[in-house]
Amino acid sequence: GQNIDQPTEMTATEGAIVQINCTYQTSGFNGLFWYQQHAGEAPTFLSYNVLDGLEEKGRFSSFLSRSKGYSYLLLKELQMKDSASYLCAALDSNYQLIWGAGTKLIIKP
Amino acid sequence: GAVVSQHPSWVICKSGTSVKIECRSLDFQATTMFWYRQFPKQSLMLMATSNEGSKATYEQGVEKDKFLINHASLTLSTLTVTSAHPEDSSFYICSASKGVGDNSPLHFGNGTRLTVT
Repeated sequence: GQNIDQPTEMTATEGAIVQINCTYQTSGFNGLFWYQQHAGEAPTFLSYNVLDGLEEKGRFSSFLSRSKGYSYLLLKELQMKDSASYLCAALDSNYQLIWGAGTKLIIKP
Repeated sequence: GAVVSQHPSWVICKSGTSVKIECRSLDFQATTMFWYRQFPKQSLMLMATSNEGSKATYEQGVEKDKFLINHASLTLSTLTVTSAHPEDSSFYICSASKGVGDNSPLHFGNGTRLTVT
């Protein structure tokens, strides 16, 4: 079956760096998305990776290893506003999005 | 700015009544829109794919007669929860892709929090 695994919850300190991991098993693969979702709000797009390697966008970076079925989202210089859930979602061979359950990131001062 | 608008943001209705939720693409035409449901502390669950000018494609386990989807124009899709019951209380979110390719990121509406009393 198709599956996305990511940690349920993580805690980090303001100003620090945190890495949120995601492993996926899908029927075929057409890329991986990361979305940020604040409590009570809809998700917003953060990144998309389809090739191996690291994509950097300001304080956020996303990495993909297709051979390992693995991705991570790296958040640098953490701010309190980064407290949110981070959703990993993979596109399968039919271009259907398979969603992870999300990682709740708690930032402490 | 927002590219997908969803209305209403929240609604409280009595059991047995129907509720309509609108999803609009603001500055682009969306031939396909997606409707999701999300329970607290859970991930998004795709309910159906709304196709302009044709019938929606429902995911397994989603009752098409209960969750009516109409995609009458290239910028508007509606989800009507018919004969709502308390178990239908949830966060409903629509989304659309602004790009052309299947790997274009989704843009989400702000969601509708439905409470059925």
